[in-house]
This record gives sequence, structure tokens and C-alpha cells, in this order.
Amino acid sequence: QSALTQPPSVSGSPGQSVTISCTGTSSDVGSYNRVSWYQQPPGTAPKLMIYEVSNRPSGVPDRFSGSKSGNTASLTISGLQAEDEADYYCSSYTSSSTRYVFGTGTKVTVL
Amino acid sequence: EVQLVESGGGLVQPGGSLRLSCAASGFSFSTYWMTWVRQAPGKGLEWVANIKPDGSERYYVDSVKGRFSISRDNAKNSLYLQMNSLRAEDTAVYYCAGVGLPYALDIWGQGTMVTVSS
Repeated sequence: QSALTQPPSVSGSPGQSVTISCTGTSSDVGSYNRVSWYQQPPGTAPKLMIYEVSNRPSGVPDRFSGSKSGNTASLTISGLQAEDEADYYCSSYTSSSTRYVFGTGTKVTVL
Repeated sequence: EVQLVESGGGLVQPGGSLRLSCAASGFSFSTYWMTWVRQAPGKGLEWVANIKPDGSERYYVDSVKGRFSISRDNAKNSLYLQMNSLRAEDTAVYYCAGVGLPYALDIWGQGTMVTVSS
């Protein structure tokens, strides 16, 4: 099972919007609405930001939104803030024996 | 307070063994799928193993099959990862995490470092 593909980095100025893509296959992202997104600031454990493609857990700002089209899921951060600077990982349920796979990770930089 | 606390990490020689533990509190552990995730230094996250609430189903990433074993003791609110035949490429921070929301890890521990080196 190969990792889902994400861009290594994205950047934006405060107040702008950035979108992170997460490309998989018909065995994972394309077949299941079971995509989640995690935020990981340096030196800390990951935190769940989005589950089931577009749902936000309690306490996550509505600046964070998720979507999916075909084999590609996306995370959009609107109104970018300095505190959003972190690594972001997508994850999907997969039909492979592993059951779950992470993306390669994207570093978000706030300029 | 909802909490997961890992322990058992450390330095081990190639070919050696370690047993990681994860103590859960503040939530209904026995109803959660549980997972071990690892992160090699400077690298991304990797899903290592999952276990069903009653322990009847277990899944592993290919690179650890036959070497690692995930287990749980619901009476003790504890999750375990037995790691045998360790290799340098197993060096990573190991996180335990719980699947509280559908197909997503919403509870995470702070991680425990495993270093495989001679």
C-alpha cells in the first residue's frame, strides 16, 4: 500500500486561503468517504481536523474545510493565521490489508 | 480528562525486542478501535497496526507483519505493541491513538521513542 500523494509544501499570507490536495486511488480515496486530515505542529502529536471528508470535530475552527472529487481529497484553510503553520497529513480507509494509509504530508508556511 | 500515555520505548540493538504499552483513561476504551502509528525522525506518519474493540481483528502494515503484534487488555484499559526482530528502519516515535470518530483518530498519546541501533 503506497502513501497518498500530497504536495510537500504550500504557503500563504495571513488572511489568504490555501488548499492541500491528497491523491489516492480507486482502492482508497476514490472508493470511500473515509478521508481524515491531521495537523501536526513541530514536536507535538497530530490532531484530528477533519473526518469523513468534510466533518469537523468539536473545537476545530470553521476556517478548516474538506472536500473530495474522484481519487483526490482536499483540505482548505481559509483566513490563514500564524497558528496554522504546521505539517498536515491526510489519511484514508483502504481495501488493502493495512486498512488505513496516510498521505506524504504537507508543510504549511504562513508568510 | 481523555488521555493516552505510552511507555516502553528506548534503545535496542538490531534483532532485539521491545514491548510498548499505552494506558487509556477518561473514555470508554473497550468500545474503541485502537491503533499504533509511527513517525521516523524527520519523516511522515505511518499506520502500523489496528485492533478491534474486542481484539478479534488485527491489521498490520506489510513491513511489520510477522514481527510486531498488537494486543489489548480492556480490563486494564491498556494497549500493547510487541516488537520483535527490530531493524534500524523501525526507529521512530510510536504513538497510540483511538478511533473515536468514524474512521478517524481523535485521541492521541504523546508518543514514545524507539531507537534501533548497535
